[in-house]
Amino acid sequence: AQSVTQLDSQVPVFEEAPVELRCNYSSSVSVYLFWYVQYPNQGLQLLLKYLSGSTLVKGINGFEAEFNKSQTSFHLRKPSVHISDTAEYFCAVGTNTGFQKLVFGTGTRLLVSP
Amino acid sequence: DVKVTQSSRYLVKRTGEKVFLECVQDMDHENMFWYRQDPGLGLRLIYFSYDVKMKEKGDIPEGYSVSREKKERFSLILESASTNQTSMYLCASSFGGLADNEQFFGPGTRLTVL
Repeated sequence: AQSVTQLDSQVPVFEEAPVELRCNYSSSVSVYLFWYVQYPNQGLQLLLKYLSGSTLVKGINGFEAEFNKSQTSFHLRKPSVHISDTAEYFCAVGTNTGFQKLVFGTGTRLLVSP
Repeated sequence: DVKVTQSSRYLVKRTGEKVFLECVQDMDHENMFWYRQDPGLGLRLIYFSYDVKMKEKGDIPEGYSVSREKKERFSLILESASTNQTSMYLCASSFGGLADNEQFFGPGTRLTVL
């Protein structure tokens, strides 16, 4: 079975600073990896996903993530954050065996202050 | 644009009541999902469906049932609501059967059971 760990429950950062949100996963088979974002009072929307190929994945709103198989990580980064990036971020893992199910991490709340 | 709608944003019910949460998607997606979201626990899968009248248990199905009579509609039923079912409920839908497809989320229903 797969699992996802997001060690940081909250990450405070100043506007225009860089940020990294950490995600580690465990799985005995090949995985697909996702980052979703949830803005206040909204559902989740997809930021980016890794299926195969290039390990550096670019997403919406200037975010990117790097798949590192040896470290079983998929950390999310942005070089310069905005106030509007304040949200909760979820990492999720799925596999190519069996039916489509995703396992989500516990989420990281990004707090951007001026 | 894909749209997933949920019947209520906020709902308050009493212990023992039967509760129906409705979800409708307009993109002819095969798969539909119900999650509950709790602080510190992330998203946990309650039930999912990959076709009309088909349903599969997720990770926390106890105390819940589902119904999918039409492709676009997926209902979550709490037969006898309890206070520990107070939570945010998120519905999602997606194409196909593999885990590489994006899940599209509704805005959520915040259920309070008194």
